Amino acid sequence: GENVEQHPSTLSVQEGDSAVIKCTYSDSASNYFPWYKQELGKGPQLIIDIRSNVGEKKDQRIAVTLNKTAKHFSLHITETQPEDSAVYFCAASITGNTPLVFGKGTRLSVIA
Amino acid sequence: GAGVSQSPSNKVTEKGKDVELRCDPISGHTALYWYRQSLGQGLEFLIYFQGNSAPDKSGLPSDRFSAERTGGSVSTLTIQRTQQEDSAVYLCASSFPQSGGDTGELFFGEGSRLTVL
Repeated sequence: GENVEQHPSTLSVQEGDSAVIKCTYSDSASNYFPWYKQELGKGPQLIIDIRSNVGEKKDQRIAVTLNKTAKHFSLHITETQPEDSAVYFCAASITGNTPLVFGKGTRLSVIA
Repeated sequence: GAGVSQSPSNKVTEKGKDVELRCDPISGHTALYWYRQSLGQGLEFLIYFQGNSAPDKSGLPSDRFSAERTGGSVSTLTIQRTQQEDSAVYLCASSFPQSGGDTGELFFGEGSRLTVL
């Protein structure tokens, strides 16, 4: 089955700097890669996703890149703000067929 | 509108007792998932219901765990003879399949925190 590795497990950045979180996956058939943000005491929320037919997707300050050959994908957050502080999870699946397999999460702290 | 609702939000039980956790998905969402979140372990898939299809139970860690979904809506996760290692936050999510069968966004509840003493 699919296995998703995520790193780093914790990340501290100064406000205004960029943050990058990286994930690798094992199943070459996976074609859907979402990122979820979890704030304290709440359930995870989708922030951005990418499907295997594109290599990059942007939404304001966040972007995701996908390298299918290397089986890795990354989340980039620019101009970080204190409200970006949360736990971020990457995930992978074969869209429509299998449940999402999540990485172990990255705790991002943005220091004002 | 109403999101995914889970109850109880917190449950403390003694080792060996049975517990039931409830999930009310968003109305109209045909897919429902249960995940377990243990400290430092990320989100561990447990079980997946999609419409009238047989559920995908491949993530259930032992036969002490079971889940059902009645009438295609409310789901109950049951843990029998609880053990201390069952202590975790149990998250439910629902989604609505996209056109072409693509995976839709998962909407998570706030979870049920289970503590087994």
